Amino acid sequence: QKEVEQDPGPLSVPEGAIVSLNCTYSNSAFQYFMWYRQYSRKGPELLMYTYSSGNKEDGRFTAQVDKSSKYISLFIRDSQPSDSATYLCAMSLYNTDKLIFGTGTRLQVFP
Amino acid sequence: EAGVAQSPRYKIIEKRQSVAFWCNPISGHATLYWYQQILGQGPKLLIQFQNNGVVDDSQLPKDRFSAERLKGVDSTLKIQPAKLEDSAVYLCASSFRLAAHLGNEQFFGPGTRLTVL
Repeated sequence: QKEVEQDPGPLSVPEGAIVSLNCTYSNSAFQYFMWYRQYSRKGPELLMYTYSSGNKEDGRFTAQVDKSSKYISLFIRDSQPSDSATYLCAMSLYNTDKLIFGTGTRLQVFP
Repeated sequence: EAGVAQSPRYKIIEKRQSVAFWCNPISGHATLYWYQQILGQGPKLLIQFQNNGVVDDSQLPKDRFSAERLKGVDSTLKIQPAKLEDSAVYLCASSFRLAAHLGNEQFFGPGTRLTVL
């Protein structure tokens, strides 16, 4: 079993839709949870990070962490074609910055 | 602020040949990482440097991969000899903080796409 599981997609939605991206993990010691966005032929860029459980909102993006279920989510409201990319979840243990990535979910938002 | 620079962007070699990748991190960033991203997978950490010392190389295949970061700035990653399964994108990242810390954002370069034939 992989430490971090993520549905690879692809996920195709119309412009304006609400998108839900999810990851599950097996290591209950993970404390930091991140979402990266990776455009084609580019390196990943950090979208959001969350410490422990709870929600965090930034503009159209909301990150949720449910440590009891070992489940994290990223919601994108009013999705735009420019949101088309691969979204990678990543997590790390306390007091380390070694990131464990999911496989990434490819998202396509069509006009 | 200039981002993480990597070269070359693309490389095609035959198996058993050697190859080297170069990374120039963001100025002032103490920590540098090399990741391997195989098609359809997330990045996997190969090695982490703090200044010019190795913090973590537990997933680096040391029989064929080597990396160095002289003077705590630029870094090179070498593969010798290459195997077919080394075909991947090699990403370099850097971060500012000296030690593991909450919110230690890693900034990624564009990567080097390696194809081994």
